Amino acid sequence: DGGITQSPKYLFRKEGQNVTLSCEQNLNHDAMYWYRQDPGQGLRLIYYSQIVNDFQKGDIAEGYSVSREKKESFPLTVTSAQKNPTAFYLCASSKASGGLGLDLYNEQFFGPGTRLTVL
Amino acid sequence: GNSVTQMEGPVTLSEEAFLTINCTYTATGYPSLFWYVQYPGEGLQLLLKATKADDKGSNKGFEATYRKETTSFHLEKGSVQVSDSAVYFCALIRPSGSARQLTFGSGTQLTVLP
Repeated sequence: DGGITQSPKYLFRKEGQNVTLSCEQNLNHDAMYWYRQDPGQGLRLIYYSQIVNDFQKGDIAEGYSVSREKKESFPLTVTSAQKNPTAFYLCASSKASGGLGLDLYNEQFFGPGTRLTVL
Repeated sequence: GNSVTQMEGPVTLSEEAFLTINCTYTATGYPSLFWYVQYPGEGLQLLLKATKADDKGSNKGFEATYRKETTSFHLEKGSVQVSDSAVYFCALIRPSGSARQLTFGSGTQLTVLP
């Protein structure tokens, strides 16, 4: 079955520690995304990548880092610089997104999420 | 800037009741509009979409019509079931450089009672 997997489902971290969240997809999608979800709020984009070895900051990138060394993998590191890291983190992927002038939207498929709690 | 505003929840209905979740948007240009659903403990799933004015998206008994004159995309279902209990997110696509990114509303929690 094709899909997106995130691990672990629950993650606990002590203050001052970096932690890496895993996201893997076998849908052969070019684009991948990381979102953060807080209670009572919508999803906010942290980072996205449209192709291997390239990624861009989203709306709330401070305190986070990513890498895209393989097409199927897009790990997110929550660093100690992130002041309020407790949240639900969602990874998504899609076919290559359309550029300006193209009326094209490729559906984003979401993983099951990782709930990060800072102790 | 671009934004999405949803009616605040939580919304609690009895089974077979009529559902409306309001969504309005602010955007430059002509965005595409979406409703996503999140079941407890899961990621988001695309429920329906509309890409131009007057389009109606529909899926699993849910419907929403893209109303450009009122900048709205309200979600409706004629008869809800207990299994519809979830959080519903309205979203729009916004162009950003060479990428097209989603902007989400804050979500509306729906609980359907038997």
